[in-house]
Amino acid sequence: SYELTQPPSVSVSPGQTASITCSGDKLGDKYACWYQQKPGQSPLLVIYRDTKRPSGIPERFSGSNSGNTATLTISGTQAADEADYFCQAWDTTTAGFGGGTKLTVL
Amino acid sequence: QVQLQESGPGLVKPSETLSLTCTVSGDSVSSGRYFWSWIRQPPGKGLEWVGYILYSGSTNYNPSLKSRVTISLDTSKNQFSLKLSSVTAADTAVYYCARETLAAGTRYFDYWGQGTLVTVSS
Repeated sequence: SYELTQPPSVSVSPGQTASITCSGDKLGDKYACWYQQKPGQSPLLVIYRDTKRPSGIPERFSGSNSGNTATLTISGTQAADEADYFCQAWDTTTAGFGGGTKLTVL
Repeated sequence: QVQLQESGPGLVKPSETLSLTCTVSGDSVSSGRYFWSWIRQPPGKGLEWVGYILYSGSTNYNPSLKSRVTISLDTSKNQFSLKLSSVTAADTAVYYCARETLAAGTRYFDYWGQGTLVTVSS
């Protein structure tokens, strides 16, 4: 399957900007998605097609994708944003997920 | 509102076959815009795509699981199902069913079931 690499953890202070990266071979040539997962819950789509936000997702969530790296950015991070975040992309016929990044809001 | 609900045994013995069903409401599994998918997550670990089925019955599986996986569709019950044979402890995971939407040249998992924990143990 398509391998995507994320940092295991990222810490941020409330109100600051958090950036979570996702690396994969020629990832910029594909579309990346991002999912938020809180403990005991199913994943929730927060970014699709690199930069698009589904209805109901706050504007503070944004995404970018270029080269071999996609980035999820959370501006003005809130305590409610503390969660695991997974990137995902398709490589021809196989879906790959990143290993996940635990975002801690200190 | 689209909802997906997994059902099936929570405990399976090693070497046996894991069987799960996903019941869809608020949408039709006969719709041509969607991939009806299974994704799993071992306890405390990341997500792994298992495979999907289209309305036509066409399937695509994770190469690492392909020899053991079968996904099928029951349009009369608006359900799709997963069978994973010859299970081992490594197959212990929360199994999610999900709808993947194909739109504007991209695709994304926009609706997920609540997940069901399947433990492989004797």
